[in-house]
Amino acid sequence: EVQLVVSGGGFVQPGGSLRLSCAASGFTLSTYGMSWVRQAPGKGLEWVSGINDSGDSPYYADSVQGRFTISRDNSKNTLYLQMYSLRAEDTAVYYCAKDRTTVTNFWDYWGQGTLVTVSS
Amino acid sequence: DIQMTQSPSSLSASVGDRVTITCRASQGISSWLAWYQQKPEKAPKFLISAASTLQSGVPSRFSGSGSGTNFTLTITNLQPEDFATYYCQQYNNYPLTFGGGTKVEI
Repeated sequence: EVQLVVSGGGFVQPGGSLRLSCAASGFTLSTYGMSWVRQAPGKGLEWVSGINDSGDSPYYADSVQGRFTISRDNSKNTLYLQMYSLRAEDTAVYYCAKDRTTVTNFWDYWGQGTLVTVSS
Repeated sequence: DIQMTQSPSSLSASVGDRVTITCRASQGISSWLAWYQQKPEKAPKFLISAASTLQSGVPSRFSGSGSGTNFTLTITNLQPEDFATYYCQQYNNYPLTFGGGTKVEI
């Protein structure tokens, strides 16, 4: 059974940093692209960042470019999102999501999400 | 960036109804469109890819159509478990973008 377990969320002050993790099981992480998608409270879905199966092609939304870094450790079956210079508008539930096949940029499995709250 | 516009933003329906949700792209995206269903406090659930290909396990009362800039998600014979928010998403170009969502309410 495919499972994605997201961790690392919490409360952080503006300008702070946080690293999210997404532990994958039930499939071979190294053969799938992955993404992070977020949802601000009461709002819609926003794609944040994606990465290909080998990890050498990351992509970012303009809103996080230069502040967030996506990475993966296929040997640990884990996807990461390192977030720097956090702003109030980064407050959201962050989901990790698995590409449908190798690199499709749409997602058939999603993690449960973790809440990141940026506030002073 | 490609803007995705969904309409309506919300609708009221009854069990057994046929519901149609529209998604419009600001530029042509061929058939590179997916649909998701989201219930409160839950992660989105994948329904459809390539505008009309139903994910395995998704009931056949869900269907998608369209290409280019205009797309629809249709739910026939609406069931109680279908009351949720639906999102379209284009995967033709980066940045990947979602529609604003359509809430289907009783």
